[in-house]
Amino acid sequence: AQTVTQSQPEMSVQEAETVTLSCTYDTSESNYYLFWYKQPPSRQMILVIRQEAYKQQNATENRFSVNFQKAAKSFSLKISDSQLGDTAMYFCAFGGSNYQLIWGAGTKLIIKP
Amino acid sequence: NAGVTQTPKFRILKIGQSMTLQCTQDMNHNYMYWYRQDPGMGLKLIYYSVGAGITDKGEVPNGYNVSRSTTEDFPLRLELAAPSQTSVYFCASSYGGSSYNSPLHFGNGTRLTVT
Repeated sequence: AQTVTQSQPEMSVQEAETVTLSCTYDTSESNYYLFWYKQPPSRQMILVIRQEAYKQQNATENRFSVNFQKAAKSFSLKISDSQLGDTAMYFCAFGGSNYQLIWGAGTKLIIKP
Repeated sequence: NAGVTQTPKFRILKIGQSMTLQCTQDMNHNYMYWYRQDPGMGLKLIYYSVGAGITDKGEVPNGYNVSRSTTEDFPLRLELAAPSQTSVYFCASSYGGSSYNSPLHFGNGTRLTVT
């Protein structure tokens, strides 16, 4: 069975700093998808970035980028020039051959002014 | 753009009571999902549907039922509420299955407390 592990329950950084959230996963599948979702205090789940496993190039969305290491089964999220609005829970999720996304437990990120 | 709409936002139930969490989407998505989020945990899939008239169990279906009579609506039914069902419930939809090209669109969640 697939599993997703986020080893950092909580992180905090100063505004404008760069922060990296870690995520590791376990799977025997060769083709899959990985996602980072953000959940601000409003509770709305928002897709931040996604990565296809067969693409070697790391995905980038503005200030958000990933470091995808397929052999190591690692999928970290880097947030550059962090902003107060980035304060949220961040969830890593794995999408394989079935309809069930497997979710990590989340990392609470606090951006301090 | 309404997206995915869940009602109610909050609810307190007594043990043994029943209720239905409503979910509707206006994006003509085929796939719909119900998740629960317990404190400090990620989301767990309760039930999902790949189209009207088709539903299937997820990881934690016990104590819940669903129906999908239309593309838009996917209600979740709790028949005999138990304290273990205290959680935040999210409805989500997507055009396709859990794939790169069909990311999930979430409702704002329902916070349910069973006492």
